[in-house]
Amino acid sequence: DQQVKQNSPSLSVQEGRISILNCDYTNSMFDYFLWYKKYPAEGPTFLISISSIKDKNEDGRFTVFLNKSAKHLSLHIVPSQPGDSAVYFCAWARRDRGSTLGRLYFGRGTQLTVWP
Amino acid sequence: DTAVSQTPKYLVTQMGNDKSIKCEQNLGHDTMYWYKQDSKKFLKIMFSYNNKELIINETVPNRFSPKSPDKAHLNLHINSLELGDSAVYFCASSYLRGTQETQYFGPGTRLLVL
Repeated sequence: DQQVKQNSPSLSVQEGRISILNCDYTNSMFDYFLWYKKYPAEGPTFLISISSIKDKNEDGRFTVFLNKSAKHLSLHIVPSQPGDSAVYFCAWARRDRGSTLGRLYFGRGTQLTVWP
Repeated sequence: DTAVSQTPKYLVTQMGNDKSIKCEQNLGHDTMYWYKQDSKKFLKIMFSYNNKELIINETVPNRFSPKSPDKAHLNLHINSLELGDSAVYFCASSYLRGTQETQYFGPGTRLLVL
């Protein structure tokens, strides 16, 4: 079963403009969400996260918005740069009860291409 | 310095063979994971170890056996390889900051079973 859905397999944006990557989830019993970025032939790299008790988290050019009523998460990149071209994965995280460890459930990813 | 490393990067083998993938992290983390990225690009957790102890086993076939000789290493041994095992396998390690855990991934091992 798919806990996290990234319905857009690709997104193309001009340099300097805003990139908006979307993610929908089905299970509300999460602790936090994370966004990972992945370049070809490399492992995913942590980008930004948001706790279940927040609706926004910002880090430089990256802002993540969480809409719990709509079960929707989005990542905004402003301004977009060619080096941002990568696959972006949304991941839903939940800690098992009594444990500090989390389980991550990843979406399929969205390929972002930023062109000059 | 590579934080999480995996060997080999590529592995091509025949059905029925037994193979191992090694993972090492030099970040001093207590927790390590194995993930599988299948042909549909989904990244799915397979195993998690904390301080050399198995914590998470996500209904992976018994042919897959993780082994953690110490906190810095988590190896994955696969017996009787099948065509469906072809995938990219990612190792990760993590630390807990506050209530959030951040996972750091290795570069992946591309396994092709013929």
